[in-house]
Amino acid sequence: DSGVTQTPKHLITATGQRVTLRCSPRSGDLSVYWYQQSLDQGLQFLIQYYNGEERAKGNILERFSAQQFPDLHSELNLSSLELGDSALYFCASSTRRTGRDGYTFGSGTRLTVV
Amino acid sequence: QKEVEQDPGPLSVPEGAIVSLNCTYSNSAFQYFMWYRQYSRKGPELLMYTYSSGNKEDGRFTAQVDKSSKYISLFIRDSQPSDSATYLCAMSGGRDDKIIFGKGTRLHILP
Repeated sequence: DSGVTQTPKHLITATGQRVTLRCSPRSGDLSVYWYQQSLDQGLQFLIQYYNGEERAKGNILERFSAQQFPDLHSELNLSSLELGDSALYFCASSTRRTGRDGYTFGSGTRLTVV
Repeated sequence: QKEVEQDPGPLSVPEGAIVSLNCTYSNSAFQYFMWYRQYSRKGPELLMYTYSSGNKEDGRFTAQVDKSSKYISLFIRDSQPSDSATYLCAMSGGRDDKIIFGKGTRLHILP
């Protein structure tokens, strides 16, 4: 157990729907990162929050949004889902504002859009 | 040119062999270099971390960084079937400090 908790583990939903993925970082970690992993694109950085504030943005679609709450858990909202959004979504956390020391990843949420 | 290039494999080697995994990169600002191991249906786990150029050893694993060639390597000695996984190189230190990952190399250690 890495200490980073992601729920749900699996999600199957229809095109056009909206889903919310949840992440609880490792105890003491202030930064949360969201990544999307697909076979052809590898791990793609979506967004980072540090202590409740958005710190960095990557290749995140406008249909996707995220937030980090005062208790430091984070949620990734995916709306108007398309078949191409099917992927593994990982949350990672670190103590620092930057990822220089590496991240600790959760086990991921496997999203299947049908 | 992609920022980080990594051969996807698969790479199959017999148990006990020395494995060499490599990545090249284009951004000379990268200073922090990592290797992650990812088992099937699991999240990546940090295996090795290196700052700047040089070697770092941890048990059967050795990480090498050659910044002049923009080339990093991970060597696994006495490979075991339990080493079968996908290995992702990663690096940071660019303009926004986020970690950029290679696509990963699938490794199979044959008993």
